[in-house]
Amino acid sequence: KAGVTQTPRYLIKTRGQQVTLSCSPISGHRSVSWYQQTPGQGLQFLFEYFSETQRNKGNFPGRFSGRQFSNSRSEMNVSTLELGDSALYLCASNTGTVNTEAFFGQGTRLTVV
Amino acid sequence: GENVEQHPSTLSVQEGDSAVIKCTYSDSASNYFPWYKQELGKGPQLIIDIRSNVGEKKDQRIAVTLNKTAKHFSLHITETQPEDSAVYFCAAPKGAGNTPLVFGKGTRLSVIA
Repeated sequence: KAGVTQTPRYLIKTRGQQVTLSCSPISGHRSVSWYQQTPGQGLQFLFEYFSETQRNKGNFPGRFSGRQFSNSRSEMNVSTLELGDSALYLCASNTGTVNTEAFFGQGTRLTVV
Repeated sequence: GENVEQHPSTLSVQEGDSAVIKCTYSDSASNYFPWYKQELGKGPQLIIDIRSNVGEKKDQRIAVTLNKTAKHFSLHITETQPEDSAVYFCAAPKGAGNTPLVFGKGTRLSVIA
């Protein structure tokens, strides 16, 4: 059974640009959650998509957005990049049922210069 | 909202000794408590979880205990090995229902051979 796949693994962008990250969940999983991981703030929740709808949202500015497709693959977009957006972006795959295991991908390392 | 505190932030043990990491949570409605291990350059890996209807769960050298009254849960690793060296995160959902996981800040465990 394939795991969670995130692409690309690494990205370098310039301030002001935008970026799109992709996450393919485990087959059969309908929920995808996105997290930002930084040394100072740890793992912070961005948003969750379930069956193509945003089900939960964290406290991030509107520059951070996402979507989910009918095959459960999800993308997140960050517009007008800032230096502080440099982080490891992780997605977690889950069936969508309460209190079930969430499995993470390897993450996308975004560096904003 | 849910707040998860994790201690200690760093832990060094001799190979073969036990390691204990503790977490407290604030939302009494939380009822699912996973632990993740993150190795360098990888995403967090689920290693064990516990639901609120049990007080302890074991899987080989790893065990988790839960005290719902005191709102704390702990990870116990026995007979530690160098490959146990990693950052460990505890998490709890932000209340009941389909809510996102809130993570502790992490514990960097070093097992010295």
